[in-house]
Amino acid sequence: TQLLEQSPQFLSIQEGENLTVYCNSSSVFSSLQWYRQEPGEGPVLLVTVVTGGEVKKLKRLTFQFGDARKDSSLHITAAQPGDTGLYLCAGYGGGANNLFFGTGTRLTVIP
Amino acid sequence: DTAVSQTPKYLVTQMGNDKSIKCEQNLGHDTMYWYKQDSKKFLKIMFSYNNKELIINETVPNRFSPKSPDKAHLNLHINSLELGDSAVYFCASSHLGGGQFFGPGTRLTVL
Repeated sequence: TQLLEQSPQFLSIQEGENLTVYCNSSSVFSSLQWYRQEPGEGPVLLVTVVTGGEVKKLKRLTFQFGDARKDSSLHITAAQPGDTGLYLCAGYGGGANNLFFGTGTRLTVIP
Repeated sequence: DTAVSQTPKYLVTQMGNDKSIKCEQNLGHDTMYWYKQDSKKFLKIMFSYNNKELIINETVPNRFSPKSPDKAHLNLHINSLELGDSAVYFCASSHLGGGQFFGPGTRLTVL
């Protein structure tokens, strides 16, 4: 099992603030994905990053894959209450079918 | 149309019973998965099927038996349910190595 540690575990911020969530591992991943999960629902894919150093933007969300493909970050600009949810990073390693999920970051954006 | 569907949404049963959860995807994906999400929201893969063949079988008790009658379906049968089996079970599908699409989850409660 390849462990992906996310930090912080919990984050509560005011609407309009910026935040960064980190996903770290000692293992190399062929690709890394970010998901958001809302209560009572399944995770929803936000982005996949494949190349070391890659940066992808999705409106106010910016995702970066580390140069060594062992870590990733998610930055949210001007957070909104609709951003509230559980954010999960996940990486493929040890085979194309082995998707390992991170420990999760629970974000609450207060109006 | 629902991309990945699971039934039932909720399942409450007594210890020792046998139960099944069904999953269907209409995305044309060749790979399907079962995950278990515990009370701390950690998501762990249980099984992965590619073109109806078992690819991954993580450390899961043999009381859990997946069955894939065709590429669009992956069912999970659980024998002799135990208290520790209580969790939310998610089905997902993807193209091999791609982003995964999750079902809404089945909340299993063993009394």
